[in-house]
Amino acid sequence: GESVGLHLPTLSVQEGDNSIINCAYSNSASDYFIWYKQESGKGPQFIIDIRSNMDKRQGQRVTVLLNKTVKHLSLQIAATQPGDSAVYFCAENLLTGGGNKLTFGTGTQLKVEL
Amino acid sequence: NAGVTQTPKFQVLKTGQSMTLQCAQDMNHNSMYWYRQDPGMGLRLIYYSASEGTTDKGEVPNGYNVSRLNKREFSLRLESAAPSQTSVYFCASSERTSGGVTSSYEQYFGPGTRLTVT
Repeated sequence: GESVGLHLPTLSVQEGDNSIINCAYSNSASDYFIWYKQESGKGPQFIIDIRSNMDKRQGQRVTVLLNKTVKHLSLQIAATQPGDSAVYFCAENLLTGGGNKLTFGTGTQLKVEL
Repeated sequence: NAGVTQTPKFQVLKTGQSMTLQCAQDMNHNSMYWYRQDPGMGLRLIYYSASEGTTDKGEVPNGYNVSRLNKREFSLRLESAAPSQTSVYFCASSERTSGGVTSSYEQYFGPGTRLTVT
């Protein structure tokens, strides 16, 4: 029979506007967080990371905010461009004795409208 | 540097067949990972290898085996493929780096293998 896939949350923005993508994480002991961008047919690509001892980090056109009180992470993209259209994943890291293991969120589809 | 490479890019199997997905990295990373990604979902960790000679189960290990052949290569084997294993498989590698006030645990991903089991 036909299978129905899950639908990703979608954020549609106009080109040039700012985008804010939100993520709730699960483990209060997580010490490191990453945002990845995944374009169609490709593997995830690193955007920006932040450690748990920080609440804000800025990169080129991107800012990540971390609120440990409510276990919330956000990615802000300034002046969104068509090339920003992709699925964005947050991931949390819990450092174990055997190395780091990332746990990924389900992702948000960002669509940039011209 | 090629980064992380995976072969094959596409594969169709019949139920019960076996196959091995290959992964190699040229960044001299200690840690390597195998994930699967199903439609509309995030990546789920199948197995990982924190360093050469060690492997550990991730979130969804059932139906898979892995081999860390050497520091560069980490293979994933499906002994008896099932339709539920239809997915896109990603390999990744990482090395903890220290820089200024932060350390990075960034994982670098390969392009993926699209597997269909009929």
